[in-house]
Amino acid sequence: GQNIDQPTEMTATEGAIVQINCTYQTSGFNGLFWYQQHAGEAPTFLSYNVLDGLEEKGRFSSFLSRSKGYSYLLLKELQMKDSASYLCAVDNNDMRFGAGTRLTVKP
Amino acid sequence: DAGVTQSPTHLIKTRGQQVTLRCSPKSGHDTVSWYQQALGQGPQFIFQYYEEEERQRGNFPDRFSGHQFPNYSSELNVNALLLGDSALYLCASSLRQGSEQYFGPGTRLTVT
Repeated sequence: GQNIDQPTEMTATEGAIVQINCTYQTSGFNGLFWYQQHAGEAPTFLSYNVLDGLEEKGRFSSFLSRSKGYSYLLLKELQMKDSASYLCAVDNNDMRFGAGTRLTVKP
Repeated sequence: DAGVTQSPTHLIKTRGQQVTLRCSPKSGHDTVSWYQQALGQGPQFIFQYYEEEERQRGNFPDRFSGHQFPNYSSELNVNALLLGDSALYLCASSLRQGSEQYFGPGTRLTVT
């Protein structure tokens, strides 16, 4: 089967660091995307990993281990506006999304 | 530079009817993908169009069909609507397969 698993909900405090994990089992793999989706809005692109390792982009970083079928999104210096759903998606010629992790940032 | 646009924004249909949703890709993009997103779930891939042909298809019945026009815009058609087809339908465009996808605001379809 093809599964993409991520935690359903997470809560963190403003200014803190949070790591959102994603594990996947797919029949093929071209790369892994992370998207942010605020309630009632369309997903917006955050990062794309093809090779193993860490990609850093400002307050957001994404890590990939292809051998382990594992990725994480790291959010630093959390802000209230970071409260959103974070979607992990595997590019397998088609795009397969996880159900998303709803992050709540509290003051 | 216009982003991805979709129409209509909201739509209410009755079970058994047919619906057509429309999408215009971001300027310069030639690949259009369609997704269905149920409340609280991630987007589910329906299909992808490139050069006016369906290139990839997800696990959706034949009631779901599409089309891409020479100007790269696209339509999603759903026949014989079921209550379970109620969802947010997202269109995403990209420059090529495997590159960053830009999503439109979506069409909220309600089937009663």
